[in-house]
Amino acid sequence: AQSVTQLGSHVSVSEGALVLLRCNYSSSVPPYLFWYVQYPNQGLQLLLKYTSAATLVKGINGFEAEFKKSETSFHLTKPSAHMSDAAEYFCAVIASGGYQKVTFGIGTKLQVIP
Amino acid sequence: NAGVTQTPKFQVLKTGQSMTLQCAQDMNHEYMSWYRQDPGMGLRLIHYSVGAGITDQGEVPNGYNVSRSTTEDFPLRLLSAAPSQTSVYFCASKSRDIISPLHFGNGTRLTVT
Repeated sequence: AQSVTQLGSHVSVSEGALVLLRCNYSSSVPPYLFWYVQYPNQGLQLLLKYTSAATLVKGINGFEAEFKKSETSFHLTKPSAHMSDAAEYFCAVIASGGYQKVTFGIGTKLQVIP
Repeated sequence: NAGVTQTPKFQVLKTGQSMTLQCAQDMNHEYMSWYRQDPGMGLRLIHYSVGAGITDQGEVPNGYNVSRSTTEDFPLRLLSAAPSQTSVYFCASKSRDIISPLHFGNGTRLTVT
């Protein structure tokens, strides 16, 4: 069964600093991987997705993620944090062949310090 | 463009009461699902449906019932609420395309006393 592990439930960065949110996946088949963002009192919205077309995926708001099969990782990065990036970020996986079950990580809450 | 609409936004129940959380989508998505979100536990799948008349259990189905009589609607029923069901509930839908993203409603915050 596929799963994702997010390391660090809370991450704090200074405004302008690099953002790095970690996600490792466990899947017996090539996975499809997603990052979602949740702003306070809202539902989740898609940041980016990996679909095997390219290992480096660019998303909205300057975020990107790199799929590394050798490390089973799909870490989310942004070169320079903005105050508006403060939110909770979720990594998610679907095993190929089954579109119906999306499995989420526990989430990482990002705090941006001015 | 409404997307996924959940009602109510907030609800307080007493132990043993029943209620239905409503979810409707206007994107003609085949797949709909219910998640609960609890601190430190991420989102956990309760039930899902791949089309009208078809439902299946997710990770944490106990205490919840669902039905899917139309493509648009996917209500979640709590037959006898328990304090352990205090949570934020999200409905989400997606198309059949495996790489299509989930579209989420804004959630229902449920408190069971």
